[in-house]
Amino acid sequence: GENVEQHPSTLSVQEGDSAVIKCTYSDSASNYFPWYKQELGKRPQLIIDIRSNVGEKKDQRIAVTLNKTAKHFSLHITETQPEDSAVYFCAASIAGAQKLVFGQGTRLTINP
Amino acid sequence: EAGVVQSPRYKIIEKKQPVAFWCNPISGHNTLYWYLQNLGQGPELLIRYENEEAVDDSQLPKDRFSAERLKGVDSTLKIQPAELGDSAVYLCASSLNRDGKLFFGSGTQLSVL
Repeated sequence: GENVEQHPSTLSVQEGDSAVIKCTYSDSASNYFPWYKQELGKRPQLIIDIRSNVGEKKDQRIAVTLNKTAKHFSLHITETQPEDSAVYFCAASIAGAQKLVFGQGTRLTINP
Repeated sequence: EAGVVQSPRYKIIEKKQPVAFWCNPISGHNTLYWYLQNLGQGPELLIRYENEEAVDDSQLPKDRFSAERLKGVDSTLKIQPAELGDSAVYLCASSLNRDGKLFFGSGTQLSVL
């Protein structure tokens, strides 16, 4: 089955700097890659997703890139703000939401 | 529009006791999921429903866990009897269909003493 590895497990950056979180997946048939943000004690919230027919997607300060050949995808957050502090999870699936496998999470801390 | 609603938010029980969690998905979402989230880890799928049919329960420990989704809307997840290792957050999620985007509820944090 699918296996998703996520790095780093913790990341600390200065406010205003960029943050990058990387994930690798094992199943070459995977074609859907969402990212979730989970603040302490709250529900995971979908922040951006990408399908395998595109290589990059942007939404304001957030972007995701996908390299199908290398089977890895990354989340990029620019101009980080304190409210970006949270745990971020990547996931991969061969078919939308039905077979999502999540990474272990990255705890991002933005230092003022 | 209301999101996925779960109750209770917190539950503390003694081991060997039964416990049940309730979930109401986003209106119109045919696919419902129960996930388990251990501390510091990503969610892991327990069971997936399409309407009232459980189409993927391969990760559900069937000796003590059961679930139902009568009428294809609300769902309950039950543990009987609970064990210490069941302490975790139980997340419900829904999607419009099996290929749609996944939306989570706030979860039930279970503590088994």
